[in-house]
Amino acid sequence: EAQVTQNPRYLITVTGKKLTVTCSQNMNHEYMSWYRQDPGLGLRQIYYSMNVEVTDKGDVPEGYKVSRKEKRNFPLILESPSPNQTSLYFCASSLRAPDTQYFGPGTRLTVL
Amino acid sequence: AQSVAQPEDQVNVAEGNPLTVKCTYSVSGNPYLFWYVQYPNRGLQFLLKYITGDNLVKGSYGFEAEFNKSQTSFHLKKPSALVSDSALYFCAVRDAGRSDYKLSFGAGTTVTVRA
Repeated sequence: EAQVTQNPRYLITVTGKKLTVTCSQNMNHEYMSWYRQDPGLGLRQIYYSMNVEVTDKGDVPEGYKVSRKEKRNFPLILESPSPNQTSLYFCASSLRAPDTQYFGPGTRLTVL
Repeated sequence: AQSVAQPEDQVNVAEGNPLTVKCTYSVSGNPYLFWYVQYPNRGLQFLLKYITGDNLVKGSYGFEAEFNKSQTSFHLKKPSALVSDSALYFCAVRDAGRSDYKLSFGAGTTVTVRA
């Protein structure tokens, strides 16, 4: 089944404790992206990747890192999480630059 | 900079009535426009897109949208709403005139269809 998977689905952590949210797609898509969803703000793009080893900042990249060592994986790294990063995070992929995107189920992150 | 506005936070309609969800955009070049829907506690699902060609775009679940370049709008429509259409709807745009590949979403419109 074609899909985008994210892990974990739910995470509660404390300020400053490094964490990684994994994202994987099995559709051989070139374009992958991370978004955060906050009430009243919609989805805001954090980082995106056009292909392996090619990443670029979205609109809200501060406090986040990404890597794209393999085509299928695009992890989101929070080196030192802060409470303002409490949010619902979505990973998405598309065959190429922003075309129809397939979204993962979301990761609800709470930073205490 | 590219941007998207969804001027209505909420839209309420009766089942069987027409449904319209508004979206306006701002880009420097040509727009690539998308509509996505998010059902409660679910991820986002693609509804339809406009890249080029016919201004009237038909998509999933009976939805359609009309691209209007002069009004910089891409309103989502459904002739006869169903209770199951109740969800959160997002409009998104990519500016084809930019060298990056960012995608910008609107704040979302919550649609409630009452029986």
